[in-house]
Amino acid sequence: DGGITQSPKYLFRKEGQNVTLSCEQNLNHDAMYWYRQDPGQGLRLIYYSQIVNDFQKGDIAEGYSVSREKKESFPLTVTSAQKNPTAFYLCASSGRRMNTEAFFGQGTRLTVV
Amino acid sequence: KQEVTQIPAALSVPEGENLVLNCSFTDSAIYNLQWFRQDPGKGLTSLLLIQSSQREQTSGRLNASLDKSSGRSTLYIAASQPGDSATYLCAWETGANNLFFGTGTRLTVIP
Repeated sequence: DGGITQSPKYLFRKEGQNVTLSCEQNLNHDAMYWYRQDPGQGLRLIYYSQIVNDFQKGDIAEGYSVSREKKESFPLTVTSAQKNPTAFYLCASSGRRMNTEAFFGQGTRLTVV
Repeated sequence: KQEVTQIPAALSVPEGENLVLNCSFTDSAIYNLQWFRQDPGKGLTSLLLIQSSQREQTSGRLNASLDKSSGRSTLYIAASQPGDSATYLCAWETGANNLFFGTGTRLTVIP
């Protein structure tokens, strides 16, 4: 079945460590996105990519990095520079053409221990 | 700055009631508006997508409308069921392929 898969579902990070969250889609979508969700707040855009080997910063990119080497994959690295990384991270994809539906993964909950 | 407001923030209704969720946005130059459902600890599930040239979309007991001139969208849920309990998010898309989200309405349908 076509869809978007995030892994792991839960992730624990020690302070000072970098961790990478995986996002894979088999929907043949050009655009992929990473959002962060905190309690009581809306989703905030971290990074997005509209095509392979290209990506743009969103509203809260500091302390995060991404790569887009393959159309299907858009991993997010939470670096030690991100001072408050505990949150729920959501990956999404959509067709590059306007007015196409966005699909989301099931999320990764990251906790700093 | 683009903003998306959802009212109410939380809503409890008895099973069987019809209800309306509201979403307002600040920029009328939208490409589309999408309604999502989120269950606790889960990702978002797309419910309805309204393109900028459309006024409404329907899927089963759900109907979403879009009024670009007033910057508003509503999600109408008919004959609510306990399984409808979730957080409902609206998001509008700009020309840069970005989705701007509201903070959501948490719906509880009481059996």
